[in-house]
Amino acid sequence: DAGITQSPRHKVTETGTPVTLRCHQTENHRYMYWYRQDPGHGLRLIHYSYGVKDTDKGEVSDGYSVSRSKTEDFLLTLESATSSQTSVYFCAISWTEGNTIYFGEGSWLTVV
Amino acid sequence: QKEVEQDPGPLSVPEGAIVSLNCTYSNSAFQYFMWYRQYSRKGPELLMYTYSSGNKEDGRFTAQVDKSSKYISLFIRDSQPSDSATYLCAIPRGANNLFFGTGTRLTVIP
Repeated sequence: DAGITQSPRHKVTETGTPVTLRCHQTENHRYMYWYRQDPGHGLRLIHYSYGVKDTDKGEVSDGYSVSRSKTEDFLLTLESATSSQTSVYFCAISWTEGNTIYFGEGSWLTVV
Repeated sequence: QKEVEQDPGPLSVPEGAIVSLNCTYSNSAFQYFMWYRQYSRKGPELLMYTYSSGNKEDGRFTAQVDKSSKYISLFIRDSQPSDSATYLCAIPRGANNLFFGTGTRLTVIP
């Protein structure tokens, strides 16, 4: 158990609605990440954070925003959900850059 | 060409078999290689990592890197039903990301 809690774990939402996924860690790790996992694509980085209020884009960031106001919390927001954002979202943490990345249990999001 | 490619399988073997899982990668500069295991509806967990080339063994698991052919492998000896999972190879991309293979789903039949 890497001390990562994701919420909600499952959500169904309608196209065009905003959605926020929360990641909470108890390990005081500096780095936090949001990945999505899709069949045929594997895991792809959406956004990451290297400290409070310090965030950067990953390879599939369009349509997503993030915020980190506390070390322990990293929020992923879909401003206006689309069906292409139906996916499994994983939060991850690491102690330092380049160090081992530990994953949460995932959040299953369905956009209808 | 993707940075790392992996045969998606699925792969089904009898209990006790030796399993070979493989990935190829595109950039010869990659030095650090990881294997993650992901059980159904769970997050990936780090299984093994290797640096540069050669073998690394951990119990029934052996990770092997062949840099000349840009090929990485994970071998599982005496496979058990509890090894049934999806195995993902991963390669660091800069300091803050990993390239992941698409994963190979393994089923070990009792």
